[in-house]
Amino acid sequence: EIVMTQSPATLSVSPGERATLSCRASQSVSSNLAWYQQKPGQAPRLLIYGASTRATGIPARFSGSGSGTEFTLTISSLQSEDFAVYYCQQYNNWPPCTFGQGTKLEIK
Amino acid sequence: EVQLVESGGGLVKPGGSLRLSCAASGFTFSSYSMNWVRQAPGKGLEWVSSISSSSSYIYYADSVKGRFTISRDNAKNSLYLQMNSLRAEDTAVYYCARPLGSGTKRYFDYWGQGTLVTVSS
Repeated sequence: EIVMTQSPATLSVSPGERATLSCRASQSVSSNLAWYQQKPGQAPRLLIYGASTRATGIPARFSGSGSGTEFTLTISSLQSEDFAVYYCQQYNNWPPCTFGQGTKLEIK
Repeated sequence: EVQLVESGGGLVKPGGSLRLSCAASGFTFSSYSMNWVRQAPGKGLEWVSSISSSSSYIYYADSVKGRFTISRDNAKNSLYLQMNSLRAEDTAVYYCARPLGSGTKRYFDYWGQGTLVTVSS
């Protein structure tokens, strides 16, 4: 099973600033990596798939990069609605697909 | 509009059983494989089970294999999860999720709102 490790566990950033979240896979997942956003009491929402392709309706301030074992989600200018928990998911080796433990993005 | 609506959660004693349902609408249900993903309170996401569009291929996480059974009824646009021999560690919100992608390489583009399963005496 591929283990996904996200860092940091919590990230404190001021509105308007840039946030950079990391995700590492225990072995190569090629570009088969997705990012999700989850707000309290809500289901996860797909942001990015294929490591760098934004899902439908996702603002351009969200961008993804990386391949193999190292991935990054960047939010270029944080809006109030962006403070949430973010998960990465590998879907290269299925079953099982596996998720990272999450990064909580909080207001500084 | 794609909608996934879970139901059937609740409080159950250890060793008990529960059957979750997911009603799908807004897309051709019979053309998609479907999945269950769970989230323990305050924890991350864990994939539970997957079923192909025609029920030919079924997969389970090791943590639930032999205790949970996934099934679907394409005529009713519904997905199910029969959960037996429940344990405290099965306590979680259970989400129905629609995968997108190709072959075995799939991510989840739509999720239901989830249904809470609590296993406690």
